[in-house]
Amino acid sequence: NAGVTQTPKFRVLKTGQSMTLLCAQDMNHEYMYWYRQDPGMGLRLIHYSVGEGTTAKGEVPDGYNVSRLKKQNFLLGLESAAPSQTSVYFCASSQTETGVTETQYFGPGTRLLVL
Amino acid sequence: GDSVTQMEGPVTLSEEAFLTINCTYTATGYPSLFWYVQYPGEGLQLLLKATKADDKGSNKGFEATYRKETTSFHLEKGSVQVSDSAVYFCALSVPYNNNDMRFGAGTRLTVKP
Repeated sequence: NAGVTQTPKFRVLKTGQSMTLLCAQDMNHEYMYWYRQDPGMGLRLIHYSVGEGTTAKGEVPDGYNVSRLKKQNFLLGLESAAPSQTSVYFCASSQTETGVTETQYFGPGTRLLVL
Repeated sequence: GDSVTQMEGPVTLSEEAFLTINCTYTATGYPSLFWYVQYPGEGLQLLLKATKADDKGSNKGFEATYRKETTSFHLEKGSVQVSDSAVYFCALSVPYNNNDMRFGAGTRLTVKP
């Protein structure tokens, strides 16, 4: 049981390049999330998904796209990277919401540097 | 909107000292409250949580009580260890809101031997 895994661990991009971050979970969770973590700002939600085939915008969605083609995978795409997207990206997952907030389980993070 | 404010760090303590990290929140509805911990180079791990007023969450010697009257969820530990050095995040989530969580900025704790 690996929990939540993220690929890659670290990446350097040039401005304008594109890339996809992969998140996978083996806990059969319905909900998945992408956050970015910046110094002094905690975590901010980029996009999330409440089930296979669904996606929704979070607090800071601009410049990112996501897809949830399979229940266990949640992909985060950067079509044209900008230096402002230099950050650490975390994926998380949780069980279906039942009226009581469910704990989110986090991956180890992807460090992205855009030059 | 819903938000969390936690005390700024960094916090440096000696081993066996008492720890308090303050956290206050603003929310519509009835949020659940969480403390997450992030060890160097790792993702966030749930430390403890409380889902209603007056609940006390506890784990690994850490405690926090959900205080609705003061909108607070302060983290405490009676005797810290070097291994507790990490960044601590307070967070809230409002039920029936797609599990949307709002995190504080984080407080870095360093415990010296």
